[in-house]
Amino acid sequence: AQSVTQLDSQVPVFEEAPVELRCNYSSSVSVYLFWYVQYPNQGLQLLLKYLSGSTLVKGINGFEAEFNKSQTSFHLRKPSVHISDTAEYFCAVSDYNSNYQLIWGAGTKLIIKP
Amino acid sequence: DAMVIQNPRYQVTQFGKPVTLSCSQTLNHNVMYWYQQKSSQAPKLLFHYYDKDFNNEADTPDNFQSRRPNTSFCFLDIRSPGLGDAAMYLCATSSDRTSSYEQYFGPGTRLTVT
Repeated sequence: AQSVTQLDSQVPVFEEAPVELRCNYSSSVSVYLFWYVQYPNQGLQLLLKYLSGSTLVKGINGFEAEFNKSQTSFHLRKPSVHISDTAEYFCAVSDYNSNYQLIWGAGTKLIIKP
Repeated sequence: DAMVIQNPRYQVTQFGKPVTLSCSQTLNHNVMYWYQQKSSQAPKLLFHYYDKDFNNEADTPDNFQSRRPNTSFCFLDIRSPGLGDAAMYLCATSSDRTSSYEQYFGPGTRLTVT
């Protein structure tokens, strides 16, 4: 069965420092991969997605992610974070076996230290 | 702007007192979803409608019901809320089943049960 693992429940980082949020998935078929962001007391917003093509995907707010098929990973990165990036970040996977429904990771809280 | 709207944003109900949460969308999407999200957890899919076709997740309690009177509106009814039903309830849409991985979320309704 498909699953998504976000290894870090919280990631503290200083403002203007780079950050990487890790995501690994298990799936035996071709996958679509997503990162969603959830600001406090808000719904989820799509940050970026990988459907096909280039393995480096750029999203909103300066975030990017790289699909690595051999390592079954889709890590999210930002070269310089801002206080406004404080949020929870969810990785999700979708494939034929899930009827293209989203399978969610547990989320990673990004904590920006001033 | 096309969007997903949820009302109310905050709802307080008493233990055992029925409550209804509402969702509307201006995207004209065929698919509408209801998720339950507890604190620091991933969203959990309760059910979804593809047009008028209702799809219940196997582990969704019978206490939760849904109605979709037309394309734009969808309601979540909790017949007898328990303390364990306190959560954020998220409504989402997607244009079609084959693109159900690309979902648009409303801001959520935070339900408190006293």
